[in-house]
Amino acid sequence: SQQGEEDPQALSIQEGENATMNCSYKTSINNLQWYRQNSGRGLVHLILIRSNEREKHSGRLRVTLDTSKKSSSLLITASRAADTASYFCATDAGGSRLTFGEGTQLTVNP
Amino acid sequence: DSGVTQTPKHLITATGQRVTLRCSPRSGDLSVYWYQQSLDQGLQFLIQYYNGEERAKGNILERFSAQQFPDLHSELNLSSLELGDSALYFCASSVDPGSYNSPLHFGNGTRLTVT
Repeated sequence: SQQGEEDPQALSIQEGENATMNCSYKTSINNLQWYRQNSGRGLVHLILIRSNEREKHSGRLRVTLDTSKKSSSLLITASRAADTASYFCATDAGGSRLTFGEGTQLTVNP
Repeated sequence: DSGVTQTPKHLITATGQRVTLRCSPRSGDLSVYWYQQSLDQGLQFLIQYYNGEERAKGNILERFSAQQFPDLHSELNLSSLELGDSALYFCASSVDPGSYNSPLHFGNGTRLTVT
């Protein structure tokens, strides 16, 4: 079973709007990572947030982490058509494995 | 370009056959991970090697095996193939042995179709 669960499963927005995706997980973690996957391609690392961090920014990306609620959110501001992809959260709970959620399919319409 | 190379890109084979998937990690990375991505199971961790030794095992079937060679490239062997083995198989690499302080770098995968 997956450690992380993304919400929503699918999101469709217009170019220029912000996109917010959420991730919930079940066990304590060392860090949480977000990845992007374009159709049929490999996953690309976006951002890593450690368990003692609450917020992190990278360009148009903002990630928050609430360990008390076991949840994280990924905000993409001023979205572009090129942001269309699947977005996955992945958790490191120790033990050498990174566990991925089911992903959110984001569609940005031009 | 992640620097991780996977071959072949596509593989079509019949049930009962055996195939080998190959992965060259990013230069300097010692860890290699194998993941299986299918529509109904999502992205499943199979196995990890660090500097030639098995480090962690996930949902890898007994019909599957892997190894990492002295030059750090890795191979995933799938035998007695079944229709349900059809999936995208990804290799990823990282510097760390598994603390995940560094991100994973994924190849573009091998799409396996079993007919």
